[in-house]
Parts: sequence; structure tokens; C-alpha cells
Amino acid sequence: EIVMTQSPATLSVSPGERATLSCRASQSVRSNLAWYQQKPGQPPRLVIYGASTRATGIPASFSGSGSGTEFTLTISSLQSDDFAVYYCQQYENRPPVTFGQGTRLEIK
Amino acid sequence: QVQLVESGGGVVQPGRSLRLSCAASGFSFSSNGMHWVRQAPGKGLEWVAVIGDDGRTDFYADSVKGRFTVSRDNSRSTVYLQMNSLRTEDTAVYFCAREHSHNNWLFDYWGQGTLVTVSS
Repeated sequence: EIVMTQSPATLSVSPGERATLSCRASQSVRSNLAWYQQKPGQPPRLVIYGASTRATGIPASFSGSGSGTEFTLTISSLQSDDFAVYYCQQYENRPPVTFGQGTRLEIK
Repeated sequence: QVQLVESGGGVVQPGRSLRLSCAASGFSFSSNGMHWVRQAPGKGLEWVAVIGDDGRTDFYADSVKGRFTVSRDNSRSTVYLQMNSLRTEDTAVYFCAREHSHNNWLFDYWGQGTLVTVSS
């Protein structure tokens, strides 16, 4: 089973600034890496897949990069709606697919 | 638009059973694999089970293997999760999720979830 590790656990950023979230896989997942956004009381929402492809309806302020074992989600200019918990997920080696423990993006 | 609506959650004693349902609409249900993912209170996401589009293949997380069974009725556009021998550690919100049409094991739509509480 591939272990996904996200950092930091909590990230405090001011609106309008850039946020950079990291995700590391215990072994290569090639580009089979997704990012999900989850707000309180809501289900996760797919944000990025294939490490860098934005999902339907996701604004261009979101970008993903990386391959192999190191991945980054960048939000270029934070809006109030972007503050949430973000999870990475590998779907290269399955079953099972595995998720990171999440990064909480909070308003500074 | 794609909609997934879970039901069947509730409070159940350890060792008992519960069946969850997920009713789908807004897409060709028989064309997509369907997954169950759970989230314990205040915790992260854990994949639970998947069933293929034709219902012939299924896989389970080790934590539920032998206790949970996933099934589907394509005529009703519904996927089920039969949960037997429930344990306190099965307490979670259970989400059904649609598998992306072009990327297996990627989840592009999720239901709102149904809460299962296992407690004596």
C-alpha cells in the first residue's frame, strides 16, 4: 500500500496571497495523483487529476505539478471560498487507492 | 446534472448489520464504476470498496474485507453497501462516489454522505 504524506498539516495564508501545498508518495505513482477540496459538512470535490489537469469548473488559480513521488498544489491568489481542507490521492497502485491525511488551509 | 444520494445510515450496535444505498441520477449509471469512501469523525478519507460498471468485479479495503459487500442494480441506478459484523471503528460518514469515465479509481462526483454510528 502506498502511503501519502501531506505537508504542512495546517497552512495559514492571507486572502490574495499564494498557497503551496505538498504531497509525497512512498513510491512512484507516476502522474496518477489527484487533489480534492473539502469544506465542513460537504463531500470532497475533485480539483486536480493527472497531477496537473484541472477538473471541470475549477478556476485557473488552481494548478498542480509534480510526478513520481513529489507533488504540489498551488493556489495563486486565495479567495475566501478556497479556505478548506485539501487531500491528495494516488490512483496508480490499487486497490487500495490511498489519501493523504489532509492539509487545512486557513485564513491568516 | 450528476446526483448521488446516500441513505440508510444510523445508529447500530456492534456486531449488527446495516445496508447503505446510493441512488444515482443525471448520467448513464451502467457506464461507471462506483465506490464507497468513508470518513471517521474529524479524520481523513478512507477508500472502502468498488464495484465495476457491470457489477461483476468488486474490491475491498482490508479493514472491511469479509464483512462488507458492495452490489448494484443498474435497472434502479443504485449501488449498495451491505455492512455486517459492524465494529465501533466503522463509525464514519460513508460517501458514494462515481468513478471518472476515463481514469479508473478517480472520483469525479460524490454524494453528501450518510452517517453510520456503531455504538452500544
